[in-house]
Amino acid sequence: QKEVEQNSGPLSVPEGAIASLNCTYSDRGSQSFFWYRQYSGKSPELIMSIYSNGDKEDGRFTAQLNKASQYVSLLIRDSQPSDSATYLCAPGPTDKLIFGTGTRLQVFP
Amino acid sequence: NAGVMQNPRHLVRRRGQEARLRCSPMKGHSHVYWYRQLPEEGLKFMVYLQKENIIDESGMPKERFSAEFPKEGPSILRIQQVVRGDSAAYFCASSPRGGSDTGELFFGEGSRLTVL
Repeated sequence: QKEVEQNSGPLSVPEGAIASLNCTYSDRGSQSFFWYRQYSGKSPELIMSIYSNGDKEDGRFTAQLNKASQYVSLLIRDSQPSDSATYLCAPGPTDKLIFGTGTRLQVFP
Repeated sequence: NAGVMQNPRHLVRRRGQEARLRCSPMKGHSHVYWYRQLPEEGLKFMVYLQKENIIDESGMPKERFSAEFPKEGPSILRIQQVVRGDSAAYFCASSPRGGSDTGELFFGEGSRLTVL
């Protein structure tokens, strides 16, 4: 099954900075990636999906996929304290999402 | 359109008792997934079900755990003879699409099981 690796963090960034969250994978069959955000004590929610090489932007969020390097990242521009959460990465295509361990992001004022 | 509904939200059981967790998927969703999250750990896949069928139970412990999604009613995750190590948050998620097109899952608020 497709698996990914994530640095558990915490990744601490000051408010207003760019937060860079990374995910590496070993299965070259992985063609798409899904980023979920999970606030402490809450359930995960999908925030970004990317299906092709390159960048995909949505507001302050940019997902980047580099299939040659087997690397996917999520950039959060102008980070806010409300972005403090755990970010989970999962590869596809698949009939069941297998999540990485997640990276905990802390944005301090 | 109501989201994924899980109950109970909190459940306390003593060792050896049974725990039943229920999940009603979003309207129109026929694919249900159960995940377990131990304290300070990642989200682990347990089982994927469609109506009346278990599609993939590769993440289920071999003993004491079972899941079903009957033709009528919610999906049930059942844990028999609970032990302290079963204390965790159990999340249910649903999707309108399954198969290789699974990507966007809609999660319930979770059921938090505490075993005394």
